[in-house]
Amino acid sequence: AQSVSQHNHHVILSEAASLELGCNYSYGGTVNLFWYVQYPGQHLQLLLKYFSGDPLVKGIKGFEAEFIKSKFSFNLRKPSVQWSDTAEYFCAVNARGNKLVFGAGTILRVKS
Amino acid sequence: GAGVSQSPSNKVTEKGKDVELRCDPISGHTALYWYRQSLGQGLEFLIYFQGNSAPDKSGLPSDRFSAERTGGSVSTLTIQRTQQEDSAVYLCASSMGQGALSPLHFGNGTRLTVT
Repeated sequence: AQSVSQHNHHVILSEAASLELGCNYSYGGTVNLFWYVQYPGQHLQLLLKYFSGDPLVKGIKGFEAEFIKSKFSFNLRKPSVQWSDTAEYFCAVNARGNKLVFGAGTILRVKS
Repeated sequence: GAGVSQSPSNKVTEKGKDVELRCDPISGHTALYWYRQSLGQGLEFLIYFQGNSAPDKSGLPSDRFSAERTGGSVSTLTIQRTQQEDSAVYLCASSMGQGALSPLHFGNGTRLTVT
């Protein structure tokens, strides 16, 4: 069965620090990859996605993610976080059919 | 425009009772998903509807869970004989086009507490 692992459940950073959130998946075939974000009091929304092509994808608010096929990874990065980036981040994988499998989420708190 | 609407936002029920959770997707969205989010867990896929096709029910955890989507729009998730382990946030999402490749638009969820 497909599974998605997010290594850190809680991350605390100071403003301007760099961010990297890990995501690994278990499926070996062609995959479509996503990061979703849930800001406090808001619903989940798409941050960025990868289907094919350049493995480095850019999303909203300065976020980017890199697909490394050999490592089954799709890590999320941001060079300099802001207080407004405080949220819960979910990695998700679509490997076959229409099922989107989510990781357990990483709660990011940015201290101002 | 209006987003995905879920009702009720909170539901407290006694063990053994049946509950119905409602999802009103974005108008024109043909795909509809139900997910369950338990404390400290990721989003657990429950069921997927696409247009008039037969739903993908592969994520429903037991036969106490069922869902329907009437007229390709509103969906109802029903949990019969609720158990304490059913306590969770139930999220509905809709998307245009074919399923997971289009961005999912989530509702705010229904927080179910079974006492």
